[in-house]
Amino acid sequence: DTGVSQDPRHKITKRGQNVTFRCDPISEHNRLYWYRQTLGQGPEFLTYFQNEAQLEKSRLLSDRFSAERPKGSFSTLEIQRTEQGDSAMYLCASSSPGGNTGELFFGEGSRLTVL
Amino acid sequence: DAKTTQPPSMDCAEGRAANLPCNHSTISGNEYVYWYRQIHSQGPQYIIHGLKNNETNEMASLIITEDRKSSTLILPHATLRDTAVYYCIVRPRLNDYKLSFGAGTTVTVRA
Repeated sequence: DTGVSQDPRHKITKRGQNVTFRCDPISEHNRLYWYRQTLGQGPEFLTYFQNEAQLEKSRLLSDRFSAERPKGSFSTLEIQRTEQGDSAMYLCASSSPGGNTGELFFGEGSRLTVL
Repeated sequence: DAKTTQPPSMDCAEGRAANLPCNHSTISGNEYVYWYRQIHSQGPQYIIHGLKNNETNEMASLIITEDRKSSTLILPHATLRDTAVYYCIVRPRLNDYKLSFGAGTTVTVRA
């Protein structure tokens, strides 16, 4: 079990550029989640996949955001035309519905800074 | 989902027990209480959860009041590595697909 891994850990970009983050969940987990966390706040739910199906998207996920999980394994989160307000930590988590704790396992996050 | 209320911050002496309160007065009968923590620059980490009974694991104990309107997370012997933000979360079902985090309690363990 190598845990949830995210790449890149840090990204600095200029306003208007596109960025993409990747998340590799724990291998046997079929559920995958994206959260966003701004400074001093708790993580906010963005979207959720079960296998390759995206089952819910938060209102926070504007049209500039898109998430995919094409084969039900890794996932990508793309932000188009970045804005300074997109600066945040983007966290990925995974879980297995069969677990007896309902625990979500989080990665260490991808920190985005938009200049 | 039920909302939770936690103090914004608290200090604790190393080696002493840390008692972290959480109010969830609107919790409904089937909702679980979860605790996560987030150490600086890391993702949140599961600590413990409970429904009605008190729970204990290798990390902490969870005490839920009989009316379930509040709970306390107990770190029995706090260490410097327990310095983190602690989140109390009410969750509709054991395997509900999302967690709703509040601002949490920033716990600082001092030597």
